[in-house]
Amino acid sequence: AQSVTQLGSHVSVSEGALVLLRCNYSSSVPPYLFWYVQYPNQGLQLLLKYTSAATLVKGINGFEAEFKKSETSFHLTKPSAHMSDAAEYFCAVSDQGYSTLTFGKGTMLLVSP
Amino acid sequence: NAGVTQTPKFQVLKTGQSMTLQCAQDMNHEYMSWYRQDPGMGLRLIHYSVGAGITDQGEVPNGYNVSRSTTEDFPLRLLSAAPSQTSVYFCASRTGLSYEQYFGPGTRLTVT
Repeated sequence: AQSVTQLGSHVSVSEGALVLLRCNYSSSVPPYLFWYVQYPNQGLQLLLKYTSAATLVKGINGFEAEFKKSETSFHLTKPSAHMSDAAEYFCAVSDQGYSTLTFGKGTMLLVSP
Repeated sequence: NAGVTQTPKFQVLKTGQSMTLQCAQDMNHEYMSWYRQDPGMGLRLIHYSVGAGITDQGEVPNGYNVSRSTTEDFPLRLLSAAPSQTSVYFCASRTGLSYEQYFGPGTRLTVT
């Protein structure tokens, strides 16, 4: 069975600082991995996805993530945080049939001025 | 293209009542899924469908029914609502060619 662990339910950074949100996964098949962002009282928006092409994936809003098979990780980074990045972020891994997703519990990113 | 639409946006039910959450997509996607989101739990899969007439259970299916008679629609039925079903419900769809799931705006359900 697939599973996703997101370290830290809350991460606080200052505006302009590096953002690092951690995601580790387990999967019985080559994984497809995703990061979604959810702004308050809104749905989920895809930030980026890894589907077995380049291991460094660039997404929207300046975010990127690197797939590291040896570490079973897919951490999300952004060089410089903006106030508008404050939201909840979810890492997800595809299921064995690639038809649905297993989500982590989410990390709330707080950005202070 | 409306994408994935969900109705209603908000609903309050009393324990024991039944209702149907509607989900529709206009992208001709084969795959559709229902998730529930609870604080600190992320999103958990309730039921999913890989095509019209084909459904299967996810992680938390108890108390919910689904059917898929058309490609466009995937309603979620609560048979006898319980307070434990208070949650935000998201419908999602994807095409068989891409692994990106498109999410609807959600339905916030409160069961008293």
